[in-house]
Amino acid sequence: DVKVTQSSRYLVKRTGEKVFLECVQDMDHENMFWYRQDPGLGLRLIYFSYDVKMKEKGDIPEGYSVSREKKERFSLILESASTNQTSMYLCASSLVLSLYGYTFGSGTRLTVV
Amino acid sequence: DQQVKQNSPSLSVQEGRISILNCDYTNSMFDYFLWYKKYPAEGPTFLISISSIKDKNEDGRFTVFLNKSAKHLSLHIVPSQPGDSAVYFCAASGRGTYKYIFGTGTRLKVLA
Repeated sequence: DVKVTQSSRYLVKRTGEKVFLECVQDMDHENMFWYRQDPGLGLRLIYFSYDVKMKEKGDIPEGYSVSREKKERFSLILESASTNQTSMYLCASSLVLSLYGYTFGSGTRLTVV
Repeated sequence: DQQVKQNSPSLSVQEGRISILNCDYTNSMFDYFLWYKKYPAEGPTFLISISSIKDKNEDGRFTVFLNKSAKHLSLHIVPSQPGDSAVYFCAASGRGTYKYIFGTGTRLKVLA
């Protein structure tokens, strides 16, 4: 069964901390994505990567950066966590952009206090 | 500017009845449309898709309809079951792009 694994289900961090969210996929997918989900706002794209070391900004990249050193791993970095970054973070991957869509991980619920 | 809109934040339906979830989009270049289902504390799971060359796609109890002239997408669930209670997201993408744009979601509650 194909999988996208996010390293933490729940995370609590302090304001100003540097936070790393890790995502690993075992499907040899080229494309990987980071979304955040907030009530009333749906899923909003933060960053995506279509190849190793390649990245593009999504709709809400401010305050975030990403790293993709290996094909299977895509990391989201909160440079200096703030309370407005409290959210559900979802990682996804896809082989090609088509009717198969994405495979999502289970999500990381991040709370910044 | 929200390119994909789900104007109903929530919907309640009696078990056994039809659930109809709606989605509107603004970009006529969108070619692929998906529906995802999401339970609390889990990632979204793919439900059903349709491309712009079709106007209907069925998979068991789930049917997606596409009206290109109205830029409108709908998901029908017949019959609805309590296990269908979840948040449903529609998503759209244009040919040759890497990403899907998601709607804000509709929370479906199926009452037993």
